[in-house]
Amino acid sequence: AQSVTQPDIHITVSEGASLELRCNYSYGATPYLFWYVQSPGQGLQLLLKYFSGDTLVQGIKGFEAEFKRSQSSFNLRKPSVHWSDAAEYFCAVGEIGGNKLTFGGGTRVLVKP
Amino acid sequence: DVKVTQSSRYLVKRTGEKVFLECVQDMDHENMFWYRQDPGLGLRLIYFSYDVKMKEKGDIPEGYSVSREKKERFSLILESASTNQTSMYLCASVAGTDTQYFGPGTRLTVL
Repeated sequence: AQSVTQPDIHITVSEGASLELRCNYSYGATPYLFWYVQSPGQGLQLLLKYFSGDTLVQGIKGFEAEFKRSQSSFNLRKPSVHWSDAAEYFCAVGEIGGNKLTFGGGTRVLVKP
Repeated sequence: DVKVTQSSRYLVKRTGEKVFLECVQDMDHENMFWYRQDPGLGLRLIYFSYDVKMKEKGDIPEGYSVSREKKERFSLILESASTNQTSMYLCASVAGTDTQYFGPGTRLTVL
């Protein structure tokens, strides 16, 4: 069965500093990988996704993620955080040929002024 | 833009009540999903549907049922609400294996 681990429950970062959120997955073959963001009181919005090809994926709001097969990781990064990036971030893995997603527990990001 | 709407943002019910949560999508997506979201546990799949009148259990279906009579509408039913069903409920839809689009969520409190 597939699984997703986000080791950091909370991260606090200063505005303007860089951000990296970790995601490790367990899956038997090449997965589909997603990062979603949930702002307070909102549903989930897709930041970026990886299906195949270039392992460095660009997303919206200045985010990027890198797929590393050898480490079973799909970490999310942003070079300079804005106060509006305060939210909860979810990594998810999907099965090829299917449409179900398995989500990690989420990482809540707090941004200090 | 894809729009997924949920009937209520906040709902308070009493133990033993029958509860209906409604989800509507406007993009003619075949697949629709119900998740519950709890702190530290992320999103867990309750049920999903890949066509009208078709449904499959997700990871935590106990205590829930679903109905999909029309393609655009997917309902989650709590036959007899219990306090451990207090949670945030999120609906999503997708065409094929692409991006899932989420509604704003319903925060259900069962007293």
